Amino acid sequence: KQEVTQIPAALSVPEGENLVLNCSFTDSAIYNLQWFRQDPGKGLTSLLLIQSSQREQTSGRLNASLDKSSGRSTLYIAASQPGDSATYLCAVNGANSKLTFGKGITLSVRP
Amino acid sequence: NAGVMQNPRHLVRRRGQEARLRCSPMKGHSHVYWYRQLPEEGLKFMVYLQKENIIDESGMPKERFSAEFPKEGPSILRIQQVVRGDSAAYFCASSVDREVVQYFGPGTRLTVT
Repeated sequence: KQEVTQIPAALSVPEGENLVLNCSFTDSAIYNLQWFRQDPGKGLTSLLLIQSSQREQTSGRLNASLDKSSGRSTLYIAASQPGDSATYLCAVNGANSKLTFGKGITLSVRP
Repeated sequence: NAGVMQNPRHLVRRRGQEARLRCSPMKGHSHVYWYRQLPEEGLKFMVYLQKENIIDESGMPKERFSAEFPKEGPSILRIQQVVRGDSAAYFCASSVDREVVQYFGPGTRLTVT
């Protein structure tokens, strides 16, 4: 059974800092991995998707990497801004296209 | 191209009533997924449907819950005889094919009183 872990559960950083959010998963038999952002009381916004054959994906200030063999992914956020404050969710896509989510990392960027 | 639509956004039901949650996928998407987010817990997969077919319902509670995605119209998640423990945010996602990006709707927040 796939399990996804995101540690720590919460993170507070000053504006401008570069930061790394970690995600680990137990079963390396995945099709892809998605990073999402969720604002309080809102839905999920897809940030990046990495296929199992890829090592990383980039979008603006975001860069996500995937090491399938070790069951790890990281989301790198460059030059963090207060508007980046949200919960970041990692989800792996395994059998039958169902996503298995971590519990998320709640990020607070202080002005 | 409108995103995934869910309605209602908020739903209040008394214990024992029925709840019907609707999801209209993005245009051109024939794959629909339902997830549930309980308070203080992560999102959990419930069911995966493709037009008129249930592909995987391994995350659905065995009783009171059902889902459909008819040939015409939105996907429906139906909860019969709701209990307080059903209070949660229910999210629908859609994709154009398997194993590609899933786009999420804004969710329906169900409160059972």
